[in-house]
Amino acid sequence: AQSVTQPDIHITVSEGASLELRCNYSYGATPYLFWYVQSPGQGLQLLLKYFSGDTLVQGIKGFEAEFKRSQSSFNLRKPSVHWSDAAEYFCAVNNMKTSYDKVIFGPGTSLSVIP
Amino acid sequence: NAGVTQTPKFQVLKTGQSMTLQCAQDMNHNSMYWYRQDPGMGLRLIYYSASEGTTDKGEVPNGYNVSRLNKREFSLRLESAAPSQTSVYFCASSDLWGASKRNGYTFGSGTRLTVV
Repeated sequence: AQSVTQPDIHITVSEGASLELRCNYSYGATPYLFWYVQSPGQGLQLLLKYFSGDTLVQGIKGFEAEFKRSQSSFNLRKPSVHWSDAAEYFCAVNNMKTSYDKVIFGPGTSLSVIP
Repeated sequence: NAGVTQTPKFQVLKTGQSMTLQCAQDMNHNSMYWYRQDPGMGLRLIYYSASEGTTDKGEVPNGYNVSRLNKREFSLRLESAAPSQTSVYFCASSDLWGASKRNGYTFGSGTRLTVV
């Protein structure tokens, strides 16, 4: 069965430090991949997406993610974290082969930022 | 502002009561979804509607019913609420059936439901 794992439940970083959030997926083929961010009390907002082409994708708010087929990973990175980045981050995958666009979400990683 | 609107934002129910969560989108999207979010479990799909006039079960449909009233509106009904349905509920929408795979979803801000 398809699945998405985010190994880190909670991460704390200092403001200005770099960030990497891990995401691994289990799929039979290359899926569409997404990262969403959820601020407290809010819905999810799309940060970036990958479906083909360049394996390094840029998103909003200075985030980027790299697709590595050999590792079945799609890790999210940011070179310098801001206090406003404190939020919950969800990796998601979408099966390219089914006839409907069912998205599977990972369990999420909660990010805290220390001033 | 264009987007997905959910009502109510908060609700407390007694066990056995019924209620309907409302969702409306103004982006002319074809597909709409209901998810529930529970700590440590991410988002789980309850029901979805690929297009107006169709609905299908997702991962956790038991205890829920849905209605795709028109292209804009997709409601979720709890007929007899149970404490296990305490959760945050999110409605989402996406554009064309296939093309939306590339664009992801637009989410509402959620409904926080507590069943006591």
